[in-house]
Amino acid sequence: EDKVVQSPLSLVVHEGDTVTLNCSYEVTNFRSLLWYKQEKKAPTFLFMLTSSGIEKKSGRLSSILDKKELFSILNITATQTGDSAIYLCAVEGGSEKLVFGKGTKLTVNP
Amino acid sequence: NAGVTQTPKFRILKIGQSMTLQCTQDMNHNYMYWYRQDPGMGLKLIYYSVGAGITDKGEVPNGYNVSRSTTEDFPLRLELAAPSQTSVYFCASSNWGVGGNQPQHFGDGTRLSIL
Repeated sequence: EDKVVQSPLSLVVHEGDTVTLNCSYEVTNFRSLLWYKQEKKAPTFLFMLTSSGIEKKSGRLSSILDKKELFSILNITATQTGDSAIYLCAVEGGSEKLVFGKGTKLTVNP
Repeated sequence: NAGVTQTPKFRILKIGQSMTLQCTQDMNHNYMYWYRQDPGMGLKLIYYSVGAGITDKGEVPNGYNVSRSTTEDFPLRLELAAPSQTSVYFCASSNWGVGGNQPQHFGDGTRLSIL
């Protein structure tokens, strides 16, 4: 059974801190790993990592994929209160369906 | 560009009632999905569809039904509402392109309470 485990489940930091969110997975026929940010409503897409794209960066956010060790990290530097959200990791395998982790709830205090 | 639209946004049902959650997308995506999200539990797949006329079960399909008569619409039906179906429901869509499935786009969700 495909499985995605995120850690930590919850994290509280101060503005300006750097945070690292973890995602480990077990999936048959790995295709891609995705990171989403969920504030009050719909999850919004951040990054998609595949065998041909194992590092992504957008502004203060970056992510890497380690296909050998079966994990990914999402890094946020110089955090802001607007970064407060639940960050979801999901993996797509051979079944063409996404399997989601439970998410990491990030709170950034001023 | 509306993206994925879900209605209603909120609903309270009594045990045993039935209802349909509506989902429509205007991106001409071939794949559509229904998830439920319980507190602290991430997203669990209920049903999905790879195209009009084709549907398949996800991880937690019991108590639900779906249909996909058009590319745009993917309604989710609860026939006999139970308290365990209290949750936030998300519809999503994606396209299969070069290199595989593209990122899913989500609607804003329907918050459903069964009392």
